[in-house]
Amino acid sequence: NAGVTQTPKFQVLKTGQSMTLQCAQDMNHEYMSWYRQDPGMGLRLIHYSVGAGITDQGEVPNGYNVSRLNKREFSLRLESAAPSQTSVYFCASKGTGEIEKLFFGSGTQLSVL
Amino acid sequence: GQNIDQPTEMTATEGAIVQINCTYQTSGFNGLFWYQQHAGEAPTFLSYNVLDGLEEKGRFSSFLSRSKGYSYLLLKELQMKDSASYLCAVTDSNYQLIWGAGTKLIIKP
Repeated sequence: NAGVTQTPKFQVLKTGQSMTLQCAQDMNHEYMSWYRQDPGMGLRLIHYSVGAGITDQGEVPNGYNVSRLNKREFSLRLESAAPSQTSVYFCASKGTGEIEKLFFGSGTQLSVL
Repeated sequence: GQNIDQPTEMTATEGAIVQINCTYQTSGFNGLFWYQQHAGEAPTFLSYNVLDGLEEKGRFSSFLSRSKGYSYLLLKELQMKDSASYLCAVTDSNYQLIWGAGTKLIIKP
């Protein structure tokens, strides 16, 4: 069972370049989300989705766009990368049930020069 | 504002017991999570508390006091593999997760 698969694992961009982070889950979860993790700070929610075609902003959405074309996949796009977007990015999905815990992808280390 | 506080770093000895505290001030409360995160890896779920009291799961236990806005994670019989960061997160009244910055636990032989 693969769980949450996230690519790429590492990426270096120049300021102004664009890129898309891919995320897919095989657990039939409705809820998917993107977080960034910076040193000394808690995980911060960028965008989330409660189902195909439905997305909403989290705590730090500026500079990011997302797309949820189907239940499995949720992508994060940086249209014009900035050094402030240097971070570790995690995709996470959440099931329903007694404990709605998050399942995380392996993360993307992004550096913007 | 909403806030979760936990110590930045703790050190403990292999075989010992360590308690990691978490205090929170959030708009409402709908549960508290503890996640473990090894360096360079993704967070993984450890425990969940929604009612006051102690939840035990093997070597790990988690305690919650809603009236005090306080939780702790207790790790017993520490092993080297327990060296990791431990993240406290609270679900607020809007069912959004608020995360602490994490506690880095260093285990020494």
